[in-house]
Amino acid sequence: ILNVEQSPQSLHVQEGDSTNFTCSFPSSNFYALHWYRWETAKSPEALFVMTLNGDEKKKGRISATLNTKEGYSYLYIKGSQPEDSATYLCAFLNNAGNMLTFGGGTRLMVKP
Amino acid sequence: DTGVSQNPRHKITKRGQNVTFRCDPISEHNRLYWYRQTLGQGPEFLTYFQNEAQLEKSRLLSDRFSAERPKGSFSTLEIQRTEQGDSAMYLCASTIGGLFPLHFGNGTRLTVT
Repeated sequence: ILNVEQSPQSLHVQEGDSTNFTCSFPSSNFYALHWYRWETAKSPEALFVMTLNGDEKKKGRISATLNTKEGYSYLYIKGSQPEDSATYLCAFLNNAGNMLTFGGGTRLMVKP
Repeated sequence: DTGVSQNPRHKITKRGQNVTFRCDPISEHNRLYWYRQTLGQGPEFLTYFQNEAQLEKSRLLSDRFSAERPKGSFSTLEIQRTEQGDSAMYLCASTIGGLFPLHFGNGTRLTVT
């Protein structure tokens, strides 16, 4: 069983704060790391798919970095807005390429 | 492209009954995944298809769970002799390949009474 851990489990921030959370995954047999955003009553939506060590990706106020050698990825949100409130999931794909294993998610709540 | 479609959205059943869920993936996607999600947890992998071939099945999955994807199009997930612990959201997702993001359906919420 692959261990994909996310921290913190939940986070409350004030509107305008910048925040970040962590995804840890096995550093061996790495193939890809996915990030998803899951709003209540909706289905998860993809944010990023990252493959290379040192990769940085950005989408608006959200960005992510990847360190495959030590097995972690950070997701950053700059100037959080209430509409950023959601659960953020990461998922690890090993080099067999079949099983995408999700972490437990970080639940972000942004107060206006 | 109408996205990934799952039916039904909600299912309430009595313990011991069999249930079947359906997933229609995006038409050109050859990979299809089933996940189960319970409150406060991330999606738990159940099984994976590439076209009609079931290539992975979670060892956590009991023999009461079975999935099919005839002709590599839609997929069904059947749970036999349901138990209260089977109550969860069952998510289906499809993709072109591992380096591409998953597209999720809205899920089927199962409640076993």
